[in-house]
Amino acid sequence: EAGVAQSPRYKIIEKRQSVAFWCNPISGHATLYWYQQILGQGPKLLIQFQNNGVVDDSQLPKDRFSAERLKGVDSTLKIQPAKLEDSAVYLCASSLGDRAGQPQHFGDGTRLSIL
Amino acid sequence: GQQLNQSPQSMFIQEGEDVSMNCTSSSIFNTWLWYKQDPGEGPVLLIALYKAGELTSNGRLTAQFGITRKDSFLNISASIPSDVGIYFCAGRLSSNTGKLIFGQGTTLQVKP
Repeated sequence: EAGVAQSPRYKIIEKRQSVAFWCNPISGHATLYWYQQILGQGPKLLIQFQNNGVVDDSQLPKDRFSAERLKGVDSTLKIQPAKLEDSAVYLCASSLGDRAGQPQHFGDGTRLSIL
Repeated sequence: GQQLNQSPQSMFIQEGEDVSMNCTSSSIFNTWLWYKQDPGEGPVLLIALYKAGELTSNGRLTAQFGITRKDSFLNISASIPSDVGIYFCAGRLSSNTGKLIFGQGTTLQVKP
């Protein structure tokens, strides 16, 4: 089965610019997650979708970050305006659901560098 | 926020040696997961644990869900060069739906 697809793989922008990331989850996976992974740390959940509804966005900096999953499949994560501390790898993951026994599968991420 | 303490932070071992790493938390988890991440790639699930006391193996890897539900360990036996990478523990809180809390990672290097 095809894995979680993310694009672009790399992005370099200047601070205060905007950027968007795209994720295509594994077919049939209802739950989609966006994580931020700063160098040397484990991933941190930003937002969780169940189909096209938001389940948890408690750690999403909503003044600059936004995410949507309009048709319950693909998702986009946007940052506007970017700050230096946003430099990180942004990982998308998907799972059949959010129950125990339904593990999350990760994409390879988008590496964002802010100049 | 909730935190997982993962140790050791890094390990440099000889090929063929056994490896052990662990995670502890002040919170109770209902699921423990162990992932491996190679450079430039996303984390890949190695082992999932769903019950306190559960001991599960996947080839040369063995992991256990602590009885207190606040800790877990991962053992790798007879390490080989391709075991090199960063290993993360992750836990699901009992009161949460799907959200994973990750440890800081253990970087493993294997000398041939």
